[in-house]
Amino acid sequence: KNQVEQSPQSLIILEGKNCTLQCNYTVSPFSNLRWYKQDTGRGPVSLTIMTFSENTKSNGRYTATLDADTKQSSLHITASQLSDSASYICVVILNYQLIWGAGTKLIIKP
Amino acid sequence: NAGVTQTPKFQVLKTGQSMTLQCAQDMNHEYMSWYRQDPGMGLRLIHYSVGAGITDQGEVPNGYNVSRSTTEDFPLRLLSAAPSQTSVYFCASSYQRDTEAFFGQGTRLTVV
Repeated sequence: KNQVEQSPQSLIILEGKNCTLQCNYTVSPFSNLRWYKQDTGRGPVSLTIMTFSENTKSNGRYTATLDADTKQSSLHITASQLSDSASYICVVILNYQLIWGAGTKLIIKP
Repeated sequence: NAGVTQTPKFQVLKTGQSMTLQCAQDMNHEYMSWYRQDPGMGLRLIHYSVGAGITDQGEVPNGYNVSRSTTEDFPLRLLSAAPSQTSVYFCASSYQRDTEAFFGQGTRLTVV
């Protein structure tokens, strides 16, 4: 069973709309949880890093939340832009090991 | 400000051939790693290095070798390519093992 599961697998929204991507994890406790953005044909780029004790972290239009009780994290994107089209990957760091989710592919349509 | 540079970007190999994927970073990071990315799966760690002269196996090391003679370079060698090694390969570097990782642009490898 995957230790980090993301949903949905893919998502299509119109430009300007908001969306929320989900990450459920089973590993606990961990040192931190990260969200990465991966453009097509490029390597992942870090968006947010949250420690186990943090509830929320923002980076511009991206806001990540963490609920340690339900073992869920979400990434909320506000006022989406065409450049937000990418895969978004949730990563949990446990004992120096990075455990990667499979990602959510987000497509923004004009 | 190059960051992490990988070459080549694309490669097609025949089964049984060997090749080396190059990776270089200019951020003076001690920790470097190689991942493979396959459809529908998370990135999987192949090999990693915590500093020059030190390497170790990750989750899927079979069929791959690495070396770390300098802080800057961390090449990945495929010994005898197999179709199962068709994948996208990413090199990453970070200050420490659990700090923010910076990735190269990837190498798309096809083994026929």
